[in-house]
Amino acid sequence: EPEVTQTPSHQVTQMGQEVILRCVPISNHLYFYWYRQILGQKVEFLVSFYNNEISEKSEIFDDQFSVERPDGSNFTLKIRSTKLEDSAMYFCASRAPELPLSTDTQYFGPGTRLTVL
Amino acid sequence: AQSVTQLGSHVSVSEGALVLLRCNYSSSVPPYLFWYVQYPNQGLQLLLKYTTGATLVKGINGFEAEFKKSETSFHLTKPSAHMSDAAEYFCAVSDRGSMNRDDKIIFGKGTRLHILP
Repeated sequence: EPEVTQTPSHQVTQMGQEVILRCVPISNHLYFYWYRQILGQKVEFLVSFYNNEISEKSEIFDDQFSVERPDGSNFTLKIRSTKLEDSAMYFCASRAPELPLSTDTQYFGPGTRLTVL
Repeated sequence: AQSVTQLGSHVSVSEGALVLLRCNYSSSVPPYLFWYVQYPNQGLQLLLKYTTGATLVKGINGFEAEFKKSETSFHLTKPSAHMSDAAEYFCAVSDRGSMNRDDKIIFGKGTRLHILP
C-alpha cells in the first residue's frame, strides 16, 4: 500500500541553524500538508500546499518557515533559524484530488522528530 | 472556528471490556470527522472517518463511531478491548472546504487508552 515517507526520522540541531525536513507524498496526491506535535501536546496544522503555492497557513507558520516542492516527488519544510520551541514531531500529509479519486483523507507520514539544542 | 474536545486525557479499560472514547466538536459548517490512532513512536493512522451518509461509521480494528449532529458528538467505541489497542487516540475535524481551501485538520488533545490485563 502506498505511504507517505519522511526523512530523517530524527534530527538534532543547534539553535539558530537551518533545518530541512523532507517528505515524499503518495505519488498521485496533489495536496500536501505539514503538521507538528510538541511533546505531550496536540497535533497542530502548519501549512497546506497545492499547485505549487501555499493554500493556507497557521499563525505558527511565520517567516522562519518555508515549504517547497523542488521536484515531482519531494515536499520539504525549511526552518531558517531554529529556536528551542521548534522542538517537536513534524508530520507530513498528502491527499488525493477530489476527482476522480474522490477522497477526503489525509495520509500521514511517520514523522520527523526535531530536537533543537 | 472549528474545535474538538476530547473528554479524558487518559482512559483505562480492562481487556475484553467496552472501549468508549468521547469527542465533541464545534463547527459552523457540516464537518468531516475523523479518528486517528498513534502507537508509541509511530505516526498517525486513520481509524475511521465520517463525511456524509450513514452516521454510524465502521473503521479498522473493530472500532466504530457515531456522528450525532444534535449532540455535536463523534464518540469512538469498540465492544471488546484488546491489549494491542493501547495507544493515543485523536479525534479531529475538518471543514468541507471547496477544493483544497479550509481543509486543514483540527485535532483534539488526544486520549491515551490503557488496557488492563
